Amino acid sequence: DIQMTQSPSPLSASVGDRVTITCRASQSISTYLNWYQQKPGKAPKLLIYAASSLQSGTPSRFSGSGSGTDFSLTISTLQPEDFATYYCQQSYSNPETFGGGTKVEIK
Amino acid sequence: QITLKESGPPLVKPTQTLTLTCTFSGFSLSSIGAGVDWIRQPPGKALEWLALIYWDDDKRYSPSLETRLTITKDTSKNQVVLTMTNMDPVDTGTYYCVHRQYGAPPRFDYWGQGILVTVSS
Repeated sequence: DIQMTQSPSPLSASVGDRVTITCRASQSISTYLNWYQQKPGKAPKLLIYAASSLQSGTPSRFSGSGSGTDFSLTISTLQPEDFATYYCQQSYSNPETFGGGTKVEIK
Repeated sequence: QITLKESGPPLVKPTQTLTLTCTFSGFSLSSIGAGVDWIRQPPGKALEWLALIYWDDDKRYSPSLETRLTITKDTSKNQVVLTMTNMDPVDTGTYYCVHRQYGAPPRFDYWGQGILVTVSS
């Protein structure tokens, strides 16, 4: 199985901050990397697919980058509604695996 | 608009078999490329992919759970059913039914609300 490792966790930040979450795959996955946002008691929501493509409806303050084994999700200006847990997921090979999650919490 | 909804028992006893049903709308599981997955999440923990069924009845399972899982579809009813045998308290969690967007890469673009399943005697 491909292991997905996220850091940091948790991440303490303030409204207006620029924050970056990293995700590392245990082997190369090209750009077969997706990012999800999950709020308490809710289902995850797809934010970014193919490492850097914004899903319809995702605010432009979110961006993704990377390929191979190293990826990142950046929120340019943190908004109150962005406090949540973020997961990366590889869809390169079966079984598709998720990272352990990064909780973005209020500083 | 794509929607999915999970149904099933909220409580099962250890060693019992869990049967979950996903009822969906807004797409057809007979359309080329269509797929539905099951993903679970123990309380306070990360997401874990379980199983997938494609429009052509091709099926994939998590290797660690493959012996316990069965996924089937009823295209006429727009339903996907997941069964998991020999349930254990560690299987407690929220189970999600998810629409798989075909493409490169495939991704989970629509999620059900989830169903919390507790395994306890």
